[in-house]
Amino acid sequence: DVKVTQSSRYLVKRTGEKVFLECVQDMDHENMFWYRQDPGLGLRLIYFSYDVKMKEKGDIPEGYSVSREKKERFSLILESASTNQTSMYLCASSFFQGDRKVSSGANVLTFGAGSRLTVL
Amino acid sequence: AQSVSQHNHHVILSEAASLELGCNYSYGGTVNLFWYVQYPGQHLQLLLKYFSGDPLVKGIKGFEAEFIKSKFSFNLRKPSVQWSDTAEYFCAVDTNAGKSTFGDGTTLTVKP
Repeated sequence: DVKVTQSSRYLVKRTGEKVFLECVQDMDHENMFWYRQDPGLGLRLIYFSYDVKMKEKGDIPEGYSVSREKKERFSLILESASTNQTSMYLCASSFFQGDRKVSSGANVLTFGAGSRLTVL
Repeated sequence: AQSVSQHNHHVILSEAASLELGCNYSYGGTVNLFWYVQYPGQHLQLLLKYFSGDPLVKGIKGFEAEFIKSKFSFNLRKPSVQWSDTAEYFCAVDTNAGKSTFGDGTTLTVKP
């Protein structure tokens, strides 16, 4: 079974604190993602990475940064936490399923359990 | 940028009722389509996917979905729901860019 492990299930932080959310996957997947999940808003992509030391902004990167020093680890960083960053954070990893020769296929995501962050 | 719309935010059904959850996307090119499910207290997991070929795809637990290209839709169906299908369901689209855009989710409550 592919496992995506998020180090913290629940965190409570104060406004202005620096927050690290860690994610590790054990199946040698190339791609890793950070989403946040909010009621009524679904999942929104914060950042993603296709390779070590590589990162791409998602749809809502403001207030966040990421680090991918090793293939299996993808960290989300909140430099100065704010109350509007209270949310459930989901890490995911993926590999390509399909046939690249005919450009048919996609990345199927495997998710971690989530980290619920409360910023007071 | 593509967007995904799920029309029903909360659906309540009795056991054995039929289910159809709507999903529409806005993108004119080739798409890959997914339904993910999150059961209470569990991880998000893949329910089914469409990459190409037969537009009617079958997933786990008796779910199926039909891709209708002309309608930009990928609706999820199950002929007879069970109490254990109570969960949140997310439709997602990947436009071969390798990253998925999700809908807002539909909460399904099945009454025993």
